[in-house]
Amino acid sequence: DGGITQSPKYLFRKEGQNVTLSCEQNLNHDAMYWYRQDPGQGLRLIYYSQIVNDFQKGDIAEGYSVSREKKESFPLTVTSAQKNPTAFYLCASKAGQATNEKLFFGSGTQLSVL
Amino acid sequence: AQKITQTQPGMFVQEKEAVTLDCTYDTSDQSYGLFWYKQPSSGEMIFLIYQGSYDEQNATEGRYSLNFQKARKSANLVISASQLGDSAMYFCAMRDPTGGYQKVTFGTGTKLQVIP
Repeated sequence: DGGITQSPKYLFRKEGQNVTLSCEQNLNHDAMYWYRQDPGQGLRLIYYSQIVNDFQKGDIAEGYSVSREKKESFPLTVTSAQKNPTAFYLCASKAGQATNEKLFFGSGTQLSVL
Repeated sequence: AQKITQTQPGMFVQEKEAVTLDCTYDTSDQSYGLFWYKQPSSGEMIFLIYQGSYDEQNATEGRYSLNFQKARKSANLVISASQLGDSAMYFCAMRDPTGGYQKVTFGTGTKLQVIP
């Protein structure tokens, strides 16, 4: 079945450590997204990518980095510069640029600081 | 810059009753798309309904309908005949043309609880 796979489901980060969250899709979608969700809050856009080898900062990109070397993959690295990384991270993808294209989401990664 | 506002942090509704979740948006563009998503406690995001800015009729999908008032810049979600399984977070979202029509931003959400 086509979909988006995020791994791991739970991740723990030590002080000063970089961690990478995986996002893989087999939907052949061009656009991919990373959102951060804090408890009781909405989704805030971290980065998005419209095509391979291209990505744009979202509203809260500081302390995060991404790459888009393959159409299927859009990993997110939470760097040590992100001082408050504890949150639920959601990856999403979208097929094209049509107005009514909806986002497809992965099941999320819960990141916590040790 | 666009903005999505959901002013109801939490809502209660009696089972089998209808409920309206509010969403207002701010954009200077004429062409935009509005979406509603549901997030159960499991964390997955489920697409519910879409409304295009040029659509003349309000969108409907089963028990979900969207009360679209373009002049007021509001896109409220109406859930009819509420069920216990409707208890979840609900998010309004908008496609942002400033991001090459690929940027999608969300509101802060409304937590709906259905009471038996």
